Amino acid sequence: GQQVMQIPQYQHVQEGEDFTTYCNSSTTLSNIQWYKQRPGGHPVFLIQLVKSGEVKKQKRLTFQFGEAKKNSSLHITATQTTDVGTYFCAGLFHRGGGNKLTFGTGTQLKVEL
Amino acid sequence: EPEVTQTPSHQVTQMGQEVILRCVPISNHLYFYWYRQILGQKVEFLVSFYNNEISEKSEIFDDQFSVERPDGSNFTLKIRSTKLEDSAMYFCAWWEKIYEQYFGPGTRLTVT
Repeated sequence: GQQVMQIPQYQHVQEGEDFTTYCNSSTTLSNIQWYKQRPGGHPVFLIQLVKSGEVKKQKRLTFQFGEAKKNSSLHITATQTTDVGTYFCAGLFHRGGGNKLTFGTGTQLKVEL
Repeated sequence: EPEVTQTPSHQVTQMGQEVILRCVPISNHLYFYWYRQILGQKVEFLVSFYNNEISEKSEIFDDQFSVERPDGSNFTLKIRSTKLEDSAMYFCAWWEKIYEQYFGPGTRLTVT
């Protein structure tokens, strides 16, 4: 079946350091989405990438979609304590009659002062 | 982000009991999803529901599970005979824009 893996599973950084999480799919994706989940919260949509090689930025966050549309990355520059949470990528695999997200395993980010 | 209510926020039930989880969206969306997340693990797709019918379901969504939209607004997930391994957060979700999926606040189900 379709699987989406993320590395690392956990990351502890000092405030101000950069952070990157990598997402890899077993098969080619239609598009990929990124979500942030704070402890005790629900997944919150961050961004969607559709095109091969696409790069999008949101303030300190940079998202990239691989050329083969099988991998993606999220990079946070100069982390802050507000960045704490788990970051999930989620791939969209089109099927006849429905579109469902397959979530990655997530990267839990902790930021220390 | 649109407001959605999921009730109850926390449900504790004994193994073998039936539970009904509810999601009340504010918009009249046709496409809904249920996901679950076991503590500390990834979000897993359960079922999608389109125009009052199941569109797609995962291997997790066995005969113990059912979904309904009984009154055109509430969106329910029923587990007929809960098992310990059903303990998880359950989220309803929908497409707000093209391929931007939004999640409700979730229901924490604890099966003892």
